[in-house]
Amino acid sequence: DIVVTQSPDSLAVSLGERATINCKSSQSVLYSANNKNYIAWYQQKPGQAPKLLIFWASTRESGVPDRFSGSGSGTDFTLTISSLQAEDVAVYYCQQHYGPPLTFGGGTKVQIK
Amino acid sequence: EVQLVESGGGLVQPGGSLRLSCAASGFTFSEYWMNWVRQDPGKGLVWVSRIESDESRTVYADSVKGRFTISRDNAKSTLFLQMNSLRAEDTAVYYCARGRGNAFGVWGQGTMVTVSS
Repeated sequence: DIVVTQSPDSLAVSLGERATINCKSSQSVLYSANNKNYIAWYQQKPGQAPKLLIFWASTRESGVPDRFSGSGSGTDFTLTISSLQAEDVAVYYCQQHYGPPLTFGGGTKVQIK
Repeated sequence: EVQLVESGGGLVQPGGSLRLSCAASGFTFSEYWMNWVRQDPGKGLVWVSRIESDESRTVYADSVKGRFTISRDNAKSTLFLQMNSLRAEDTAVYYCARGRGNAFGVWGQGTMVTVSS
């Protein structure tokens, strides 16, 4: 099974500042046939279901603000919120969608400093 | 509006059974792979099972294999999860989620399952 590890567990960022979350997979999630990395990112606000932000490591889901961006390849990935807004307070999860069993990281809680 | 609505959760004793349903609307249900994902109270997300669009193939997490069965009724746009031999560690909020490939593009609001005597 592919183990997905996120860091940090939590972070506090000032409004308008950059937030960076890291995600590492235990093996490469790069599919050579299409050169895509199978990492997704989700945002979960308190009391709500998760929401897909990014898939294939860097493709934003429709409607997701462009302050959210994903990067990385192979086993190391990053979610960046370029200018943190109050509504971005949430827990963020990465997930490998390379193949089953589909596995998530433990989550990163983002708060306002 | 694309929507998934789960139902069927509740309190059940260890060893008992429960059947969850997920009613889909606003999209062509038969075209999508569907999943169940659970979340322990206050904890992270765990994928449970997936069924392909034509009901031909199913996959399960090891923790539920042999106890849970995923199925779907494309004519009624409904996804199911039959849960047998339930354990305390199955206590969680269960979400149905529409596949975006093997990512999860649309989620329901979740239904709570509590396994306790």
